[in-house]
Order: sequence, then structure tokens, then C-alpha cells
Amino acid sequence: KAGVTQTPRYLIKTRGQQVTLSCSPISGHRSVSWYQQTPGQGLQFLFEYFSETQRNKGNFPGRFSGRQFSNSRSEMNVSTLELGDSALYLCASSKGRDRVVYEQYFGPGTRLTVT
Amino acid sequence: DQQVKQNSPSLSVQEGRISILNCDYTNSMFDYFLWYKKYPAEGPTFLISISSIKDKNEDGRFTVFLNKSAKHLSLHIVPSQPGDSAVYFCAARGPQGGSEKLVFGKGTKLTVNP
Repeated sequence: KAGVTQTPRYLIKTRGQQVTLSCSPISGHRSVSWYQQTPGQGLQFLFEYFSETQRNKGNFPGRFSGRQFSNSRSEMNVSTLELGDSALYLCASSKGRDRVVYEQYFGPGTRLTVT
Repeated sequence: DQQVKQNSPSLSVQEGRISILNCDYTNSMFDYFLWYKKYPAEGPTFLISISSIKDKNEDGRFTVFLNKSAKHLSLHIVPSQPGDSAVYFCAARGPQGGSEKLVFGKGTKLTVNP
């Protein structure tokens, strides 16, 4: 069974540009969440999508946005990039809350560097 | 306000011995707790989870204990192996209108010495 996949794995952008990251969840998983990991802040929740609807959003500026498609694949977009956006962006998927045993799996991440 | 805390930034143990990683939380509404293992520049690897209605869950060498009255959980790894060396994160899921949002601790770096 294939795991969570993220593309691209690495990105280098300059300040002011925008970027789109992609995530394909595990087959059958309907929930996709995004996290940002930085050395100083650890893993911070960005947002979560379920059945193409955003269910929850973290404390990030409106420059960070996302969406989910009917096949559960998700994208996140960051506009007007700032140096502080340099981080590892992680996508996670789960089946949702209809399971007695709960598991959430992460992809390998996209390393974004803003120069 | 940090709702999930891992107070030990690092832990060093000998191969074959037990590793005990600790985690404290403040929000009594969390309904699931998860442990992840992470290597640099990689995504977290899911290890084990426990529901708030249980006090213990085992999977091979990994056992998680939950003490709800103390708002404390721990991960036991027995026996510890050098390949277990990594950063371990504790995470909690809250019943926030059905969301799957996880709140993470800052992590504990485990080093298992041969």
C-alpha cells in the first residue's frame, strides 16, 4: 500500500514569489492535514481538509491557503513568500473519525527554501 | 500556550535497556494520543497511538501508557536498539468538531548507544 506522497521534495524560491505544494494521501484516506516544521517552532498545524472542505485552520496568515480535490489529493499555496516561510512542509492523511483505532500518517515533506 | 509538553529535550540509553519518553498535556478534551519517530529532513513515522479511554497499548517493542488523572503519557521501548536513535514526538488530537488536527510536543532526541 503506497504511503503519503508529496511533490516536489525540494524547492528554492525568492521573496515575493508564490509556491504550490502537492500531497497525495493514502488510498482510502479522506482527511488531509498540512503542517509546517521549523527548528524554532516545531510542528505547527496549518489546515485540514475533509471531503474537499476545510475543517480547521491554524494560526497562519492568509498568504497560506489550500484546497482538496474530489480524489482527496490536496494542494497548499503560499503567496508573497517571506524568508520566514523557509521550512519543511508536511502533509498527513487519515481515514477520519469513523475508526476505533486512530492513525495519522505523514509524507516525506517538501523542503522550501526562500532566498 | 503549549498544550503538549515534552520536558526532556534529549535522552541517552544503552542498547538493550529500556527507553522511557515522557509527555504531559493540559487539555483534558484530547481524545487520542500518538507517538511519532522522526529523522532529520524526513516526515514523522507513526509508531503507536492510544485512545483516551484506555491506559495502555502495546505494539511489539513499543508500549504507550496513559495516566489521565495526571495528564501524562509515556512511551516505553524495550529493548532499545541503535536504530531507535531519532527524535520522538508526542501528539494529541482534540475533539474539535471532527477535525483531525494534531498538537505536537517539541520532541525528545533519543540516542541509543551500542
